[in-house]
Amino acid sequence: AQTVTQSQPEMSVQEAETVTLSCTYDTSESNYYLFWYKQPPSRQMILVIRQEAYKQQNATENRFSVNFQKAAKSFSLKISDSQLGDTAMYFCASAVRSNDYKLSFGAGTTVTVRA
Amino acid sequence: DTAVSQTPKYLVTQMGNDKSIKCEQNLGHDTMYWYKQDSKKFLKIMFSYNNKELIINETVPNRFSPKSPDKAHLNLHINSLELGDSAVYFCASSSRQGVADTQYFGPGTRLTVL
Repeated sequence: AQTVTQSQPEMSVQEAETVTLSCTYDTSESNYYLFWYKQPPSRQMILVIRQEAYKQQNATENRFSVNFQKAAKSFSLKISDSQLGDTAMYFCASAVRSNDYKLSFGAGTTVTVRA
Repeated sequence: DTAVSQTPKYLVTQMGNDKSIKCEQNLGHDTMYWYKQDSKKFLKIMFSYNNKELIINETVPNRFSPKSPDKAHLNLHINSLELGDSAVYFCASSSRQGVADTQYFGPGTRLTVL
């Protein structure tokens, strides 16, 4: 079974500063994928970043980057130079081959960017 | 152009009624999904279809019946609605089944059962 844990229900960050969201996952498989999705107040689910487990290099997408620690099964998201538009709920998710790559989501972390 | 669209965006209905939510994707994807997001924002997959064929059916009550008339559409019909069905329902699509292609989500349908 896949489990994804996000231990921070809420985080607050000042505009232009950096915030890091934690995510741990549990799988015994070697072939899996990890994702961060953003859900702003508009409710739309938007892919932020994606990481293939077989790639050692951490994925980066503009101001968003991950710290993928495979041995520790940790997949944290760093948001640099936070902007007001980053205010949203962020979901970590995993997909494993044995589960037909169904997305399993964590409980989410609400990020509020303060002006 | 909207990639994944859902109608309606809001649905308020009485207990016991039957309702449908429609989903359409114009991405040319083969695989479509339905997810349920409960009041605590927890997201869980309900169904997955690939080329009109049911692939994944999680432990969802029989009152929920997905229908895929073609690979661009996946509708969700719910019979005998119950209070616990109140949630946001998301449709999503991805390029192929059986691989971890990125899933693109629709805007969600907020269902409220009174």
